[in-house]
Amino acid sequence: QVQLAESGPGLVRPSETLSLICNVSGASFSQYYWSWVRQPAGKGLEWIGRVFVSGSTDLNPSLKSRVSMSVDTSKTQISLRLNSVTAADTAVYFCARALYYGSGTSYYFDYWGQGLPVTVSS
Amino acid sequence: DIVMTQSPDSVAVSLGDRATIKCKSSQTVLDTSNKKNYLVWYQQKPGQPPKLIISWASTRESGVPDRLSGSGSGTDFTLTISSLQAEDVAVYYCQQYYRSPPTFGQGTKIEVK
Repeated sequence: QVQLAESGPGLVRPSETLSLICNVSGASFSQYYWSWVRQPAGKGLEWIGRVFVSGSTDLNPSLKSRVSMSVDTSKTQISLRLNSVTAADTAVYFCARALYYGSGTSYYFDYWGQGLPVTVSS
Repeated sequence: DIVMTQSPDSVAVSLGDRATIKCKSSQTVLDTSNKKNYLVWYQQKPGQPPKLIISWASTRESGVPDRLSGSGSGTDFTLTISSLQAEDVAVYYCQQYYRSPPTFGQGTKIEVK
């Protein structure tokens, strides 16, 4: 059974960097893409980006200038860094397994973590 | 980006009745070379992550009751619950994966009347 679990601070100060980790278990970690998706309270879902075991990333252009992602294969972890945060970055952050079906197409998500609420506030 | 628009935003349906949700994409998500629609549906209950229920516009995921079904092609899609049960109360999202970035509809909340 694939399990994902997000961890990190629940409160980040404005202009600082949000750093989250997702631990993955029960999956062939190196065979899949892994994504971050966020959801402001009471609102819809926004894809942040994805990372592969090689370290390659594909990031949402709307956030690309502030986002980085990395992977630690020895720990089967992925990480997210979002810098220069504002109140608009307050959301529940999910990690998810991303399925991909070919060049030029995109991803959908079959396994999700429970999500980690993050508030940006001073 | 491909914009996904769902309708309605919310709907109240009596238990046992049919519930229908529409999802429209701003451009086609049909790949004519393989005749596949790159469209999924998720179900999200309060305090839980989204759950994948339908992929390729109409393929039900393992364990999903057959009263939930997806249809449509190109730019217009429908999620139908043939006979609403209490456990179907949730917010439903469509998402396209034809072009990056993947984009979601705004969600449709199904409640019991």
